[in-house]
Amino acid sequence: TQLLEQSPQFLSIQEGENLTVYCNSSSVFSSLQWYRQEPGEGPVLLVTVVTGGEVKKLKRLTFQFGDARKDSSLHITAAQPGDTGLYLCAGVLNDYKLSFGAGTTVTVRA
Amino acid sequence: DTEVTQTPKHLVMGMTNKKSLKCEQHMGHRAMYWYKQKAKKPPELMFVYSYEKLSINESVPSRFSPECPNSSLLNLHLHALQPEDSALYLCASSQDLKDYTFGSGTRLTVV
Repeated sequence: TQLLEQSPQFLSIQEGENLTVYCNSSSVFSSLQWYRQEPGEGPVLLVTVVTGGEVKKLKRLTFQFGDARKDSSLHITAAQPGDTGLYLCAGVLNDYKLSFGAGTTVTVRA
Repeated sequence: DTEVTQTPKHLVMGMTNKKSLKCEQHMGHRAMYWYKQKAKKPPELMFVYSYEKLSINESVPSRFSPECPNSSLLNLHLHALQPEDSALYLCASSQDLKDYTFGSGTRLTVV
């Protein structure tokens, strides 16, 4: 059973369109992270959210942490082909175990 | 230095071989991790070392043996692996419960 439910599993959009990826859980997390992973490489940390209700922006990427610290979303505005990749949310409970969602494969077509 | 370095990048080994994966970080992080990732799946936690001591073993078979010689190094010793153990093995480190840094991984193929 996945601790973090991530949706959708796949997203294919045209360059310039917007997209949102969701990450939900019944557990409360001390922090939640979003990663992007290219094939054959390790995940690269995009952002860490810690405070309930927190919103962080990274250029065209907007990350939101739910008020109850159980869910998060990643929104990309005006997607570009360079945004193509596997997006993973991951949460930390109260130990050192970082648990990943199943991932969302995003393809941005030129 | 803000990287986690893993060697080798690729490894092909037979089922009777003994090999080791290496991981190094110089960020002063006190926790280090081994993850296993199969194709199109998320990483799965294998082991956690905290202050050079094994703190979490996620019921990993004994053919995988971790070792933490010092605060900067983490090894994964492999012996008598099976073809289904072929995967991307990722090392990570963190100072606290946030801001994990992952290495690029070792692509392992067991033949």
